[in-house]
Amino acid sequence: DAGVIQSPRHEVTEMGQEVTLRCKPISGHDYLFWYRQTMMRGLELLIYFNNNVPIDDSGMPEDRFSAKMPNASFSTLKIQPSEPRDSAVYFCASSTTSGASTDTQYFGPGTRLTVL
Amino acid sequence: GQQLNQSPQSMFIQEGEDVSMNCTSSSIFNTWLWYKQEPGEGPVLLIALYKAGELTSNGRLTAQFGITRKDSFLNISASIPSDVGIYFCAGLDNNAGNMLTFGGGTRLMVKP
Repeated sequence: DAGVIQSPRHEVTEMGQEVTLRCKPISGHDYLFWYRQTMMRGLELLIYFNNNVPIDDSGMPEDRFSAKMPNASFSTLKIQPSEPRDSAVYFCASSTTSGASTDTQYFGPGTRLTVL
Repeated sequence: GQQLNQSPQSMFIQEGEDVSMNCTSSSIFNTWLWYKQEPGEGPVLLIALYKAGELTSNGRLTAQFGITRKDSFLNISASIPSDVGIYFCAGLDNNAGNMLTFGGGTRLMVKP
């Protein structure tokens, strides 16, 4: 398997612009997680899905952030409008509740977002 | 909420030395995971622990799931320069959905 795929790897945008981050989980995984990583706050869970349904979005910082999972192989995290304080590395991870590696989360390479 | 205290925050060691880092929690976890993150990459799973008392090795890495379920350690023997990176512990509480709680990370630097 190719692992978790994220795009783009790097995004530079101006304040106020809309940003869309994309994730393709590992095939067969039924959980998908979005994280944000900064030097100050470390790894923070933003939202996670189970079978394409959002389960917990309590980590989403504010209404400017939204996430969707229209099908089992694709998810997006959108920021609109973006602000400089949103600059961070955003990771997507997926896991499965079956098999030998139950609950183990596998991370994508991340998207480094810079908002000017 | 649950918190994981990971120590040390950073280590600067000589190549060939052994390394030990640990995580403690205020509450019980059902699963402990150890990840390594290199610059510009996502965390990569090193070892997964599913049972209290479990001791698992992966090459030069050894990790243990504490008997109280509230702690775990990771040892690296005979460190090499490519061990450089940030090591994270993470705990999973099945009663809290499938969410992981991460430690703050241990930054490891190895001097050749």
